[in-house]
Amino acid sequence: EPEVTQTPSHQVTQMGQEVILRCVPISNHLYFYWYRQILGQKVEFLVSFYNNEISEKSEIFDDQFSVERPDGSNFTLKIRSTKLEDSAMYFCASTQGYYGYTFGSGTRLTVV
Amino acid sequence: AQRVTQPEKLLSVFKGAPVELKCNYSYSGSPELFWYVQYSRQRLQLLLRHISRESIKGFTADLNKGETSFHLKKPFAQEEDSAMYYCALSGTGGTSYGKLTFGQGTILTVHP
Repeated sequence: EPEVTQTPSHQVTQMGQEVILRCVPISNHLYFYWYRQILGQKVEFLVSFYNNEISEKSEIFDDQFSVERPDGSNFTLKIRSTKLEDSAMYFCASTQGYYGYTFGSGTRLTVV
Repeated sequence: AQRVTQPEKLLSVFKGAPVELKCNYSYSGSPELFWYVQYSRQRLQLLLRHISRESIKGFTADLNKGETSFHLKKPFAQEEDSAMYYCALSGTGGTSYGKLTFGQGTILTVHP
C-alpha cells in the first residue's frame, strides 16, 4: 500500500535556527497538508496546498512558516526561526480527492 | 466554526466488552465525519468515514445529525484495539474544503 514518507523522524534544533521538514506524498495525490500535534494536545491543521499554491492556512501558520513543492514529488515545511513552542510532532498528509487522507508517520521537532 | 469534542480522554474496558467512544461536533453546514486510529508509535490511519457506512475491524459509527454526534462502537473489544482514537470533521465546501478538525482523542485500553 502506498505511503506518505516523512524525513527526518526526529529533528533537534536550536532556538532561532531554520528547519525544513520533508514529505513525499503519494504520487497521484493532488492535495497536501501539514498538521502538528504539541505533546498532550490535539492534532491541529496548519496548511493545505493544491495546484502549487496554499489553499488554506490556520492562524498558527504565520510568516515564520512556508511550504513548497519544489520538484513535483517533495513537499516541504520550513520554519524560518524556530521557537520553543514550535516543538511538536508534524504530520504531512495527502489525498487524491475529497476523502481518506493518508498521513505520514510524522517528524518530531524538538527546539532547545 | 468547526469543532469536535471527544469528552473522554481515557477509556478502559475488558476484552469482550462493548465499547463506545463518544464524539460530538459543531458545524454549520453538512460535515463529513471520520474516525482515525493511532496505534503505539505508528501513523494516523483512517478507520471509518461516515459516508461509506462500512465496518472496519468490527467498528461502526453512525452520524446522528439531530444530536450532532458520531460515536464509534464495537460490540466486543479486543486487546489489539488498544490505541488512540481521533474523531475528525471536514467541511464540505468553501475555505474549509479538505481541512480536518480533530477532537482531543480518546486513549482506549482493552484489558485481558
